[in-house]
Amino acid sequence: ILNVEQSPQSLHVQEGDSTNFTCSFPSSNFYALHWYRWETAKSPEALFVMTLNGDEKKKGRISATLNTKEGYSYLYIKGSQPEDSATYLCAWRGDDKIIFGKGTRLHILP
Amino acid sequence: DAMVIQNPRYQVTQFGKPVTLSCSQTLNHNVMYWYQQKSSQAPKLLFHYYDKDFNNEADTPDNFQSRRPNTSFCFLDIRSPGLGDAAMYLCATSFISNTEAFFGQGTRLTVV
Repeated sequence: ILNVEQSPQSLHVQEGDSTNFTCSFPSSNFYALHWYRWETAKSPEALFVMTLNGDEKKKGRISATLNTKEGYSYLYIKGSQPEDSATYLCAWRGDDKIIFGKGTRLHILP
Repeated sequence: DAMVIQNPRYQVTQFGKPVTLSCSQTLNHNVMYWYQQKSSQAPKLLFHYYDKDFNNEADTPDNFQSRRPNTSFCFLDIRSPGLGDAAMYLCATSFISNTEAFFGQGTRLTVV
């Protein structure tokens, strides 16, 4: 059974603080690691697709790193803002299959 | 404009009464996925189509079936819904390459 683990499950962060959370995934048959942002009542939207060991990607205040040898990825948010409140899902892609973790629910406190 | 559309957004069905959820896409993606998500759990892959090839997950109950009559449409059929099948059902599409998946807004299924 393929298992994608995310931690923590839920996180409360003060506005303006930086934060990060983790995704661990199987190293075998690895094609890509995806990060999605899912706001309530909306569709999940892709943030990053990462394929190479050591990859680092950045989009504004959000960045992610990838270690395929040990099977983990970190997502970082710098200077959290209220609009960052969402669930962040990571997903392991092997060939044509995409398997998701449970997500990290991020709450930004004013 | 929405590129992956799921209908309906909310579906209430009776225990044991067959129900069909639909998904359509305008992206010409060759892979279409159906996920079931229950509260606080990971979206669980039920099955996916790579073009016309159907790929069922080993732990997907027989009660769940799917059809993909053409590239644009994919259906999820639940033959005899039970109370435990109440969930959010997400459809997603992608190319077979390492690009991201695009999601519909989901169908919230209630079984009464």
